[in-house]
Amino acid sequence: EAQLVESGGGLVQRGGSLRLSCEASGFTFSRYSFSWVRQAPGKGLEWVSYISGVSGSIYYADSVRGRFTVSRDNAKNSVYLQMDTLRADDTAIYHCARKILGSDAFDIWGQGTVVIVSS
Amino acid sequence: SYVLTQLPSVSVAPGQTARITCDGNNMASKSVHWYQQRPGRAPVLVVYDNTDRPSGIPERISGSNSGNTATLTISGVEAGDEADYYCQVWDDQYYVFGPGTKVIVL
Repeated sequence: EAQLVESGGGLVQRGGSLRLSCEASGFTFSRYSFSWVRQAPGKGLEWVSYISGVSGSIYYADSVRGRFTVSRDNAKNSVYLQMDTLRADDTAIYHCARKILGSDAFDIWGQGTVVIVSS
Repeated sequence: SYVLTQLPSVSVAPGQTARITCDGNNMASKSVHWYQQRPGRAPVLVVYDNTDRPSGIPERISGSNSGNTATLTISGVEAGDEADYYCQVWDDQYYVFGPGTKVIVL
């Protein structure tokens, strides 16, 4: 069964840093692209970042560009999100999601990891 | 940047049909995907590429896309369909989600 498990969330002060991890299992990790999607308390889904499986493409939402860095390690079946210069409005549940091959939809989601930025 | 618009909520009686719309400029040129999110749970993909259903999603859930509006239709609504529903598209290096529609089962 395909599965994604996030970790690394926690409480951090404004201006601080965190590194989130997303470990995949149950499928051939290197073939797939992934995104990070966050959800602030009581709010909707917000796409954060994308990393491709093959082409090396990386994209960011305007709200995090220059502060967040996405990467992957195919040997460890993992995707990472380095978050620097954190702000209060970065407080959210951060989900890792797998993109369907040949589509722009996300078919597998992790349960998420909670990030709280205190001011 | 591309903007998607959804109604905040839709109310429907059990057994009836819920239609959840997602508006965007020239939406028909996009591939639209839909997610269901129950409280405290991760999103679940219910329709992708406008009309396709992942395995395990019942046939009473369907999607369409025409003009400036994509629609997710849930026939024979059940109590378990009460959730938030989000549309999503890809636009020029950005993934865009709609604001979500809460389906309330009366």
